[in-house]
Amino acid sequence: EMQLVESGGGLVQPGGSLRLSCAASGFTFSNYGMNWVRQAPGKGLEWVSYISSSSSTIYYADSVKGRFTISRDNTKNSLYLQMNSLRAEDTAVYYCARDIGVEFDPWGQGTLVTVSS
Amino acid sequence: DIQMTQSPSTLSASVGDRVTITCRASQSISSWLAWYQQKPGKAPKVLIYKASSLESGVPSRFSGSGSGTEFTLTISSLQPDDFATYYCQQYNSYPRTFGQGTKVEIK
Repeated sequence: EMQLVESGGGLVQPGGSLRLSCAASGFTFSNYGMNWVRQAPGKGLEWVSYISSSSSTIYYADSVKGRFTISRDNTKNSLYLQMNSLRAEDTAVYYCARDIGVEFDPWGQGTLVTVSS
Repeated sequence: DIQMTQSPSTLSASVGDRVTITCRASQSISSWLAWYQQKPGKAPKVLIYKASSLESGVPSRFSGSGSGTEFTLTISSLQPDDFATYYCQQYNSYPRTFGQGTKVEIK
């Protein structure tokens, strides 16, 4: 069974940093691009970042460009999101999702990031 | 960036109703569109990809249509399990933008 499990969320002060992880299993992780998508409390889905299978192509949403860094380790079947200079508006559930070109599937269960003093 | 606009934002319907949700793209995305269903506290689940292809395991009461800039998601006969929020997403280019969502509520 394909599975994605996020971790690393928590409470952080404005201006702080946090690193999210996403552990993949049940499929050949190194063959697929991966995404981070977030959802602020009570709000809709916002795509955050994409990394290709070989890490050669990376994209960011304008809202996080210059503050967030996506990376992956194919030897560990893991995806990461380094989040710096966090703001209150970054408060959200962060999901990782596999990109199969025509859809995101599967998705992880999400990890909550709360930015507050 | 391509903007995705869904309508309506909220829809009240009864079990057995036929329900249609519309998604409009700010520029042509061919058929590069997916539809997701999300229930409270859960991750989104894909229903439709490439505008009209039904994801494996998804009930046949769900269907998608459209191309270019206008797309629809139709539920032919609403079931109790279908009360949820639905999102469209374009796959034509990055950023992979989502619509703002349509919440289907019990009437």
